[in-house]
Amino acid sequence: GNSVTQMEGPVTLSEEAFLTINCTYTATGYPSLFWYVQYPGEGLQLLLKATKADDKGSNKGFEATYRKETTSFHLEKGSVQVSDSAVYFCALSNSGYSTLTFGKGTMLLVSP
Amino acid sequence: DARVTQTPRDKVTEMGQEVTMRCQPILGHNTVFWYRQTMKQGLELLAYFRNRAPLDDSGMPKDRFSAEMPDATLATLKIQPSEPRDSAVYFCASAGSGNQPQHFGDGTRLSIL
Repeated sequence: GNSVTQMEGPVTLSEEAFLTINCTYTATGYPSLFWYVQYPGEGLQLLLKATKADDKGSNKGFEATYRKETTSFHLEKGSVQVSDSAVYFCALSNSGYSTLTFGKGTMLLVSP
Repeated sequence: DARVTQTPRDKVTEMGQEVTMRCQPILGHNTVFWYRQTMKQGLELLAYFRNRAPLDDSGMPKDRFSAEMPDATLATLKIQPSEPRDSAVYFCASAGSGNQPQHFGDGTRLSIL
């Protein structure tokens, strides 16, 4: 079956630091990959996506590259802000955007 | 911006009581998902509907949980009888046809005492 593994948090950074949140997956076929973000007290929001190998998804300064050879989709940002503090979820889908399989989430805390 | 609306936002009740959670999907979206989020298990898919028909409810405890879509603008998730282990945040999400991304509501925070 499908599964997603994320690094455990919390990840604690100072403002303007470089961010990496690791994500690896197990899936049959060629899944689509996603990063969602959840701010306190809110639902999940789609941050970025990639639908095939070597695609790079990007949004709001965040990037992730679909690496089929290492079954990974690591999230990166060059300079984090306090407002980026949230929980980040890696997810995959075997059928377009339906039936997402989520990782357990990684909390990011950014201090001024 | 169009949003998925969930009610109630918070619910506290005693075990054994019936709980009904409601979701209004984004107008025009034909796929609706119910998730449960806990610290221990993370996000779990409970059930989902396409064009109001249930496609998969294998993630849902059948003996006490039920999910329905009385019409295209309303999805419900019921728990009867509720138990303390049902305490969690329940999210509804909807998506349009043609591989559109899921849009999540802000969730119902359920506490069963």
